Amino acid sequence: NAGVMQNPRHLVRRRGQEARLRCSPMKGHSHVYWYRQLPEEGLKFMVYLQKENIIDESGMPKERFSAEFPKEGPSILRIQQVVRGDSAAYFCASRNTGELFFGEGSRLTVL
Amino acid sequence: DAKTTQPNSMESNEEEPVHLPCNHSTISGTDYIHWYRQLPSQGPEYVIHGLTSNVNNRMASLAIAEDRKSSTLILHRATLRDAAVYYCILSNGAGSYQLTFGKGTKLSVIP
Repeated sequence: NAGVMQNPRHLVRRRGQEARLRCSPMKGHSHVYWYRQLPEEGLKFMVYLQKENIIDESGMPKERFSAEFPKEGPSILRIQQVVRGDSAAYFCASRNTGELFFGEGSRLTVL
Repeated sequence: DAKTTQPNSMESNEEEPVHLPCNHSTISGTDYIHWYRQLPSQGPEYVIHGLTSNVNNRMASLAIAEDRKSSTLILHRATLRDAAVYYCILSNGAGSYQLTFGKGTKLSVIP
């Protein structure tokens, strides 16, 4: 049973470009969460999705960030017009009825 | 959200027990106590969780104070693989996984 798969593992973007991070949850998991970890900090909740629905986006910046979890395919975290402050590790987690299972993260570097 | 306080770092000798403390003096009656750990360059990994009673699983034990204002994660025999940052997190209700990770406790294991 494959774990939570995230790609790309590393992404480099220049200021103003777009970043798209993908997350395939564990098989059978219908709940997906995105977290962001800045250097030397703990993880901060961003958004919680179920298939085709955003349940809670209270941790998501109001501008430039969006997330989706379509009926088919992976969940996508999209960051438009990236700035240096967006450089961080972005972790996806999924669950069914139990605890969270995390992926290995996508590390975004903005030049 | 109720907050937790953990020591920044701790050391343990290999094959000795480790007691990782967590204070949560403002915990409410419906808050669950979760522990996750994060190995270097990896996503967090679930360790254990509980509400009021002490809990045991194959990884660790969780001892919860009678007034629930503090808890202790117990690793019965530390191995080098247990070197990680350990996070103590509260969630409001069993179904809430919009978790807020603090800075955690960095555990070093000495061979």
